[in-house]
Amino acid sequence: DAGVIQSPRHEVTEMGQEVTLRCKPISGHNSLFWYRQTMMRGLELLIYFNNNVPIDDSGMPEDRFSAKMPNASFSTLKIQPSEPRDSAVYFCASNALWASGEQFFGPGTRLTVL
Amino acid sequence: SQQGEEDPQALSIQEGENATMNCSYKTSINNLQWYRQNSGRGLVHLILIRSNEREKHSGRLRVTLDTSKKSSSLLITASRAADTASDFCAANSGGYQKVTFGIGTKLQVIP
Repeated sequence: DAGVIQSPRHEVTEMGQEVTLRCKPISGHNSLFWYRQTMMRGLELLIYFNNNVPIDDSGMPEDRFSAKMPNASFSTLKIQPSEPRDSAVYFCASNALWASGEQFFGPGTRLTVL
Repeated sequence: SQQGEEDPQALSIQEGENATMNCSYKTSINNLQWYRQNSGRGLVHLILIRSNEREKHSGRLRVTLDTSKKSSSLLITASRAADTASDFCAANSGGYQKVTFGIGTKLQVIP
């Protein structure tokens, strides 16, 4: 298995632009998590899905952030409009609800908003 | 807010020495996990200890859990330069696999 796949790996955009981050979880996993990591705030859980259904989005910072999981093999995190303070590394992780709890992380998307 | 808080935040040791890092958490947990992050990469799972376990081993890793004190410790024995990374504890509570990460301990192993 290729592991969790995220794209793009790097994104540089200008303030006000829409940004879409993509994630493909490991096949067979039914939970998917989006995290944001910054020096100031550490690793924050933004939202997680179970069987494609959003379970907890309390970590989504503002209405500018939205996430979807249209099927078991794909999820997106969208920021519209983007702001410089959104600059961070965004990680996607997946696991199987019936398994031990270990989460498998993707390589992350480094977002820079100018 | 962070569920887990690691101590120390940074640790520098010589290769071959042991490294101990601690984690405190706030609420009742199902399990406590430790992850490692090498610079610029995603996190990798190291070890998981369940709330009804007190100690667990995996290779050079030993983790303990004290639920009465809401704390855990990770011991890395015979450290190697490749252990240079940030190690995070992550507390799982609730009915799903959601975990809350601490701020991490940055470990530097000097060859």
